[in-house]
Amino acid sequence: ETGVTQSPTHLIKTRGQQVTLRCSSQSGHNTVSWYQQALGQGPQFIFQYYREEENGRGNFPPRFSGLQFPNYSSELNVNALELDDSALYLCASSVGQGGVSTEAFFGQGTRLTVV
Amino acid sequence: SQQGEEDPQALSIQEGENATMNCSYKTSINNLQWYRQNSGRGLVHLILIRSNEREKHSGRLRVTLDTSKKSSSLLITASRAADTASYFCATVNYNQGGKLIFGQGTELSVKP
Repeated sequence: ETGVTQSPTHLIKTRGQQVTLRCSSQSGHNTVSWYQQALGQGPQFIFQYYREEENGRGNFPPRFSGLQFPNYSSELNVNALELDDSALYLCASSVGQGGVSTEAFFGQGTRLTVV
Repeated sequence: SQQGEEDPQALSIQEGENATMNCSYKTSINNLQWYRQNSGRGLVHLILIRSNEREKHSGRLRVTLDTSKKSSSLLITASRAADTASYFCATVNYNQGGKLIFGQGTELSVKP
């Protein structure tokens, strides 16, 4: 078990709705990254936050947004949900700006289903 | 987009046998990491190898890295049924923000 917790574990939403996923990072880790994993695929990088500022973004539209709080916990918000947003959303915490020079610790993920 | 390919996509072996998974990538890297995922849940870090390293060991795991061929392999020796999982390689390039870029993964099944 890592020290990274995500909530909720499962979620069902209707197309067009908005969703907020939450992540508490491991103690002492100041960088949080979010990944989307479709069924049968590897995780895809959404964005990364370092000390409350976005520090890199993958190829995802602006309706995917995030926040990092002073305690380094984080939220992922997705607006105007589409059926293709159905996936496992993973949060990972690590130390240091600009890169995962050491291991990343992943939460158990939130399984989002859009119907 | 994915960094590269993993080979094979699926692997089925008997307990006690060795399992070898390969990973190829496209761009220069600072390090390459291997992760394990059970049943579509969170990923667990297994091992990290830096671009100036060629081989690394951790318990029953052996990782090699060939930067000239842009490839890596993960060997699990004396496999156990509990090793059944999906295995992913992920590359890191500090010039690209240091994010993890994952391959598609190898699904390993170890039969008792």
